[in-house]
Amino acid sequence: KAGVTQTPRYLIKTRGQQVTLSCSPISGHRSVSWYQQTPGQGLQFLFEYFSETQRNKGNFPGRFSGRQFSNSRSEMNVSTLELGDSALYLCASSPLTGTGGYNEQFFGPGTRLTVL
Amino acid sequence: DQQVKQNSPSLSVQEGRISILNCDYTNSMFDYFLWYKKYPAEGPTFLISISSIKDKNEDGRFTVFLNKSAKHLSLHIVPSQPGDSAVYFCAASAQDGANNLFFGTGTRLTVIP
Repeated sequence: KAGVTQTPRYLIKTRGQQVTLSCSPISGHRSVSWYQQTPGQGLQFLFEYFSETQRNKGNFPGRFSGRQFSNSRSEMNVSTLELGDSALYLCASSPLTGTGGYNEQFFGPGTRLTVL
Repeated sequence: DQQVKQNSPSLSVQEGRISILNCDYTNSMFDYFLWYKKYPAEGPTFLISISSIKDKNEDGRFTVFLNKSAKHLSLHIVPSQPGDSAVYFCAASAQDGANNLFFGTGTRLTVIP
């Protein structure tokens, strides 16, 4: 079974621009979560989508948004980029059924975003 | 506010010896804990987990211990191998239906041949 894929793997943008990152979950997985990894903060939860609905959101400004499509693929968008947005953005999929409890998350390789 | 803390950014161990990675948490609502391993240019890979109803879970060379009263968990790797060299992240979840993990900042383990 193919793993979680993320595109692009690397991206360079300048301040003020916007960016869209894409994530394709493992086939059959309906939950997709996004995390930001920075050297000093570790991995921080951005948001989670399940069945095209945002179920949970971390403590990030409204410049960070996402969506999920009917095939479970997800995109996240960052508008008005700031230097501090430079990070590794990780997507994780899970076979979560939506009935509660915890399901293991499987991570993609990430998209390295550099904001100049 | 970091709810999951890994206070040792790095650890070096001789091959064949035991590696002990530590993790502390502050949120008493956490009831499921995981360890992930991460190599450069790859996403984190699930290693082992433990539910709060247990105090130990073992999988081959990897054992996780949970001390709920101290809000502390540790990962033991015995024997350590050079291929274990990676960054290890501790993570926690509240199992409240929300599928998000709270991660520590990671510990870089180097196993010296």
